[in-house]
Amino acid sequence: AQSVTQPDIHITVSEGASLELRCNYSYGATPYLFWYVQSPGQGLQLLLKYFSGDTLVQGIKGFEAEFKRSQSSFNLRKPSVHWSDAAEYFCAVAASGGYNKLIFGAGTRLAVHP
Amino acid sequence: DARVTQTPRHKVTEMGQEVTMRCQPILGHNTVFWYRQTMMQGLELLAYFRNRAPLDDSGMPKDRFSAEMPDATLATLKIQPSEPRDSAVYFCASALENTEAFFGQGTRLTVV
Repeated sequence: AQSVTQPDIHITVSEGASLELRCNYSYGATPYLFWYVQSPGQGLQLLLKYFSGDTLVQGIKGFEAEFKRSQSSFNLRKPSVHWSDAAEYFCAVAASGGYNKLIFGAGTRLAVHP
Repeated sequence: DARVTQTPRHKVTEMGQEVTMRCQPILGHNTVFWYRQTMMQGLELLAYFRNRAPLDDSGMPKDRFSAEMPDATLATLKIQPSEPRDSAVYFCASALENTEAFFGQGTRLTVV
């Protein structure tokens, strides 16, 4: 069965510091992978996605993620964090091809110190 | 600006009452998801539809929850009777086949 693990429940970084949020997935075939961000009281906004091709994908708001099949990982990165990036981040996986459904990780809550 | 619209945004109801949440997917999207978000369980998939047909509702308590798509522009999630443990934020999302899902703002349900 598909599953997603986000090992870090909370992360705190200083504004301007780099960021890496970890995501590991479990799926037998090539998955579709996503990162979503949720600000307080809001819905989920897609940051980026990986379906196939280049394993380094660029997203909105300066985020990027790298798909590493050998490690079953899809970590999210940003070189310099802004205070407005404070939010909760969710990694999700879907079965590729055919009728799919999203399975989400538990989320990582990011706090940014000035 | 295409978006998923959920109504109501907030709902407070008494235990035992019927609750209906509505979702208007993005025009042209043929897949609709219902998720429930709680502190304890995170984001749980309740049900999803493709071309208005239910594909998977295994995440939904069958005795009190029901989900339907009366037409391509409306999805509903109904709870009858509601219980305090149903208090959560319910999200609807829509997608085209094999593409990313777009989420609505959610319905925050409180059952007292």
